[in-house]
Amino acid sequence: AQSVTQLGSHVSVSEGALVLLRCNYSSSVPPYLFWYVQYPNQGLQLLLKYTSAATLVKGINGFEAEFKKSETSFHLTKPSAHMSDAAEYFCAVKSPNFNKFYFGSGTKLNVKP
Amino acid sequence: DTGVSQDPRHKITKRGQNVTFRCDPISEHNRLYWYRQTLGQGPEFLTYFQNEAQLEKSRLLSDRFSAERPKGSFSTLEIQRTEQGDSAMYLCASSLASQGGETQYFGPGTRLLVL
Repeated sequence: AQSVTQLGSHVSVSEGALVLLRCNYSSSVPPYLFWYVQYPNQGLQLLLKYTSAATLVKGINGFEAEFKKSETSFHLTKPSAHMSDAAEYFCAVKSPNFNKFYFGSGTKLNVKP
Repeated sequence: DTGVSQDPRHKITKRGQNVTFRCDPISEHNRLYWYRQTLGQGPEFLTYFQNEAQLEKSRLLSDRFSAERPKGSFSTLEIQRTEQGDSAMYLCASSLASQGGETQYFGPGTRLLVL
């Protein structure tokens, strides 16, 4: 079975500071991993995904994430936060063997001026 | 490509009433997923279709819930005899089946409030 844990339901950073959103997964087989962003009253938008190619994945809006198998982690980072990054971020996992996606409970990012 | 659309965007209903939501996926996508999202939680899988076949249903999906995708294009999700606990955002996503990790494209959701 797959599951996702996102540490920290709320993260607050200053504009220009490093963004680090944590995601740990549980999977019996090497999974596919995703990060989505959700703005208020909108659906989810894909930021990036890991599908067993390069372990460092670059996404949109300057975000990137690194797959670390030994730590079962897929943390999302951005070197310099922008006010427009304020949103809720979801990590998701999918097994290659099944067509179900499991989402974490989300992390709300607040960016202070 | 106009993306995934959902209708209505908001629905307020009284307990015991039936409601139906519609999802129009991206036209060439053969997979369609329904999720439920409650406040402070991530999306929870409800069911998915490949073309017109409903291939999996979550145990969350009680007998009051039914979904269809009659021609492999749009899909409907019906909730019968709504309960206050059904209040949530219902999200639809579509994707193109692939060997790698397929990308799901989400609609804006239908927010349901059951009074």
